[in-house]
Amino acid sequence: QKEVEQNSGPLSVPEGAIASLNCTYSDRGSQSFFWYRQYSGKSPELIMSIYSNGDKEDGRFTAQLNKASQYVSLLIRDSQPSDSATYLCAVIEGSNYKLTFGKGTLLTVNP
Amino acid sequence: GAGVSQSPSNKVTEKGKDVELRCDPISGHTALYWYRQSLGQGLEFLIYFQGNSAPDKSGLPSDRFSAERTGGSVSTLTIQRTQQEDSAVYLCASSPGTGGYNEQFFGPGTRLTVL
Repeated sequence: QKEVEQNSGPLSVPEGAIASLNCTYSDRGSQSFFWYRQYSGKSPELIMSIYSNGDKEDGRFTAQLNKASQYVSLLIRDSQPSDSATYLCAVIEGSNYKLTFGKGTLLTVNP
Repeated sequence: GAGVSQSPSNKVTEKGKDVELRCDPISGHTALYWYRQSLGQGLEFLIYFQGNSAPDKSGLPSDRFSAERTGGSVSTLTIQRTQQEDSAVYLCASSPGTGGYNEQFFGPGTRLTVL
């Protein structure tokens, strides 16, 4: 059973701080990793994808991947109250096609 | 450009009735996916289409669930004889192709409530 694990939170950070969200996965054959943001009552919105070991930056977001440790993380710099949402980690194994999701981490950014 | 669209946005039905949920993918996207999100189960994969073919139906919960896609575009998910445990948000996603390096973009979802 392929698993994707996330801390459920809630993770609470003050405005302007760095929020760090973590995810581990069980399938060593996993090749593609995604972070989705989901506001309450809305559908998941893709914010980052990463395929190679190392860091990938996009604006205030940085995704980090370590395949040896089977670990992927998302850093949000200068956190804003509008970043308050559930963050879903999702993984695709090999040349597969379906996303396997973690249960999500609820992030609250306090003004 | 236009994103993935789904209809209806909300559906309330009585136990035992059939329902149809519709998904219109992003123009040009050949792959289409159905997922379900419920409180206890998180987000789970149901079925995907490459063109009009559905190579993997293994995620469908029971034979009451079926899906089709026509013209390589619009897809319909049908649930027959609905049960209360079918209550969930049904999400459709599309991607330019299949394979792991294709990003999937979700529609707004259909919230299904079975009374």
